Amino acid sequence: ETGVTQTPRHLVMGMTNKKSLKCEQHLGHNAMYWYKQSAKKPLELMFVYNFKEQTENNSVPSRFSPECPNSSHLFLHLHTLQPEDSALYLCASSLSRVRTGEAFFGQGTRLTVV
Amino acid sequence: AQSVAQPEDQVNVAEGNPLTVKCTYSVSGNPYLFWYVQYPNRGLQFLLKYITGDNLVKGSYGFEAEFNKSQTSFHLKKPSALVSDSALYFCAVSARGDDKIIFGKGTRLHILP
Repeated sequence: ETGVTQTPRHLVMGMTNKKSLKCEQHLGHNAMYWYKQSAKKPLELMFVYNFKEQTENNSVPSRFSPECPNSSHLFLHLHTLQPEDSALYLCASSLSRVRTGEAFFGQGTRLTVV
Repeated sequence: AQSVAQPEDQVNVAEGNPLTVKCTYSVSGNPYLFWYVQYPNRGLQFLLKYITGDNLVKGSYGFEAEFNKSQTSFHLKKPSALVSDSALYFCAVSARGDDKIIFGKGTRLHILP
């Protein structure tokens, strides 16, 4: 148990659906991240939030919409996804700007788009 | 831009033998370097990190890594492998003052009984 909790663990959605992934941490971290892990690509950084402000958007399509209402919670809103978006989505948190701490990861949400 | 290279997709080692998983990096300025391990259907677990100081870093489960600035490498090592070490290993780098943590593509480690 890393202290980072992701829900749901598994999600199957159609291409016209709207769903949200949730990430929660109570480690006192200020930075939160979304990563995508697919079978054929390395871990891809999607978004970074630092003190609730988005500081990195790694050219992610607009069908992925992040939200960070406070330093403890991070969401990834999904709409009109494509089958190639099927992957493991990992949330992580760390002390701000990785100055002294490593990232702690949740167990991920396995997303399947049908 | 930061990048990490893990040149081996898979490494096979007999149980009890020493293991090495290779990692090289590219970053502007001084790096923060990390190793993570991922077991099936799980998120990544932190193993060890290099921030500053001694080039040899010791971490969880008997793993260690050596920072080599001239070769821009941060290879993961363990003196005696266990079957339970079989997993996917990721090297990662971050530049100081940067929000991004960039991961390598991962190396699958198989420890043969």
